[in-house]
Amino acid sequence: EAGVAQSPRYKIIEKRQSVAFWCNPISGHATLYWYQQILGQGPKLLIQFQNNGVVDDSQLPKDRFSAERLKGVDSTLKIQPAKLEDSAVYLCASSPLDGRGLEETQYFGPGTRLLVL
Amino acid sequence: AQSVTQLDSHVSVSEGTPVLLRCNYSSSYSPSLFWYVQHPNKGLQLLLKYTSAATLVKGINGFEAEFKKSETSFHLTKPSAHMSDAAEYFCVVRGNAGNMLTFGGGTRLMVKP
Repeated sequence: EAGVAQSPRYKIIEKRQSVAFWCNPISGHATLYWYQQILGQGPKLLIQFQNNGVVDDSQLPKDRFSAERLKGVDSTLKIQPAKLEDSAVYLCASSPLDGRGLEETQYFGPGTRLLVL
Repeated sequence: AQSVTQLDSHVSVSEGTPVLLRCNYSSSYSPSLFWYVQHPNKGLQLLLKYTSAATLVKGINGFEAEFKKSETSFHLTKPSAHMSDAAEYFCVVRGNAGNMLTFGGGTRLMVKP
């Protein structure tokens, strides 16, 4: 089966510019996640969707970051305006629900590497 | 709240020798624990997971991990390292509510010929 797709793979922008990332989860996966992975650290969850609703966005810097999953499938993550400290890899993951409606194992995409100059 | 500590940021082994990547966790309930591997410029791949069944968990590529509640540890092992095992490894704990994953800082495994 096809994995989680992300684009672009790389992006270089100047500070104060805006940028958007796109994610297409594995077909049929109800839950979608966006993570930020700063160089040398483990990924940190930014936001979790179940279908088109937000489950957890407690760690999303809402003054500059936004995300949506309007039709419960694809998702976009936007940064506006970008800061130098936003340089990181942005990972998208998805997971199915089990028979009890609980999320199962997360599958990760290749990530988008963002460099803010 | 839960947390994960990977005790070594870098581990270097020779090809054909055993691998040990150490992980300790902190959780107020019975956790679900995972090991993920990340090769350069590739996505995170699940190696294995523990979800309260057998304490010795076997994963892909010959890796296994043992859940030790008394030591709050979930160390990853492999009997014989291969050059292709060189990568970054993450120990991960899953929250009790929802499916929130908390990652450790990662261990970079280097394999010498």
